[in-house]
Order: sequence, then C-alpha cells, then structure tokens
Amino acid sequence: EADIYQTPRYLVIGTGKKITLECSQTMGHDKMYWYQQDPGMELHLIHYSYGVNSTEKGDLSSESTVSRIRTEHFPLTLESARPSHTSQYLCASSDPRDTGELFFGEGSRLTVL
Amino acid sequence: GQNIDQPTEMTATEGAIVQINCTYQTSGFNGLFWYQQHAGEAPTFLSYNVLDGLEEKGRFSSFLSRSKGYSYLLLKELQMKDSASYLCAVMDSNYQLIWGAGTKLIIKP
Repeated sequence: EADIYQTPRYLVIGTGKKITLECSQTMGHDKMYWYQQDPGMELHLIHYSYGVNSTEKGDLSSESTVSRIRTEHFPLTLESARPSHTSQYLCASSDPRDTGELFFGEGSRLTVL
Repeated sequence: GQNIDQPTEMTATEGAIVQINCTYQTSGFNGLFWYQQHAGEAPTFLSYNVLDGLEEKGRFSSFLSRSKGYSYLLLKELQMKDSASYLCAVMDSNYQLIWGAGTKLIIKP
C-alpha cells in the first residue's frame, strides 16, 4: 500500500497568487518527483529530487520551484500563478534500491482563473 | 532523441483479450514499466520487465524484447473496470523514466 499524500486535491485561484502544493510520503523513499499532466495527455516531469537538499529540473520548463528539506516532504511552489498553469500536478516517489517503480499521490488539480 | 510509441486508443469487448503494444528508442535501458491510469486518477503500477520474455500477473501479462525495442501488455478476460489509459515507460541509462503518451482502452459490453 503506497503512502504518499498530496494537498490540496483541488484548488481554484486567481492570477498572480502564490501557491504551494504539498506532497508527503511515509515510505522513506529518497527519490521524489513532480509531474504535470493535462487531461488525456502524457506525463511531463517538472522537478525531481535524489534526496535531502537535492533538487533538479525536469524536461518541462516550469516557473515553479521545489525544496527538499526533509526526506518525506517535497513541496512545489508557484510564485505567481497564471491560467497556463491550470493542470493536474502529480507527486511520486521511488526507492532507487528497488526496481524504480513510482508510487503516485492522488494529484492536485489546479485551476487558475 | 528518446521516443516511446503506443497506439492512442483501442476498443475491445468485455470478456475478450487485448494486446497493447509499445515500441521505444532510448539512450540505454534499465527496465520497462506499464502503468494503468483511470480518468482523473493517478497512475498505478502494473508490471516491470528488465529481461526478455513474458511476465504474468493474473489477468495481465507483459512481454519484452530488448533487441527489438518492443513490449506489449496483454489483458485477458476483459472487464468494464479495465477501461483506462495504459502508460508505457522506459528507464534510460541515467535511470530517468521516459513516458509514452498512453493508450486509452475502451471496453464495450
């Protein structure tokens, strides 16, 4: 049973607002990821982390930032939200000592008006 | 560049068998994954192949041929709940996952 949690599940905000999407996992996984996915489209990697104090940018250019101060916590922040940020954001984690299987959170669906 | 190809959409009948193909071109290979994703939900892990051959897990089986850069997911005794998108993903030489766009499977009664 995967133990990875995202909040909020749904968020509607106005343009220019700052938001933070939370992601926590209790599996002790070192590697964590943030993906962006529009309905019916493929997953795009926006950030990942190998462990505490490690953050890397993914393939998709993003105006978001992440931090990894604790193993279990990997928040994503948008300093100034725009309508183009409207999407589903999926957090995931994996144990690099295993096969690399990703465990996903339930997602945060963001709408920017 | 790196590329994963899978059909956009497939339709099958309840109780039947369906095969979803995936071909890949990546820089290195450290395993191939299949995930299931229901509409509006997160992907869930189905299978992992790193060696050539067939891996069977209940109604689902996954096959890999590394020399051909090819995999398929076989779903037997289809049920309505199998209606979902099926995502193929390959782990490259840098242990990064390269994702396909997914195959939307529609099951008809």
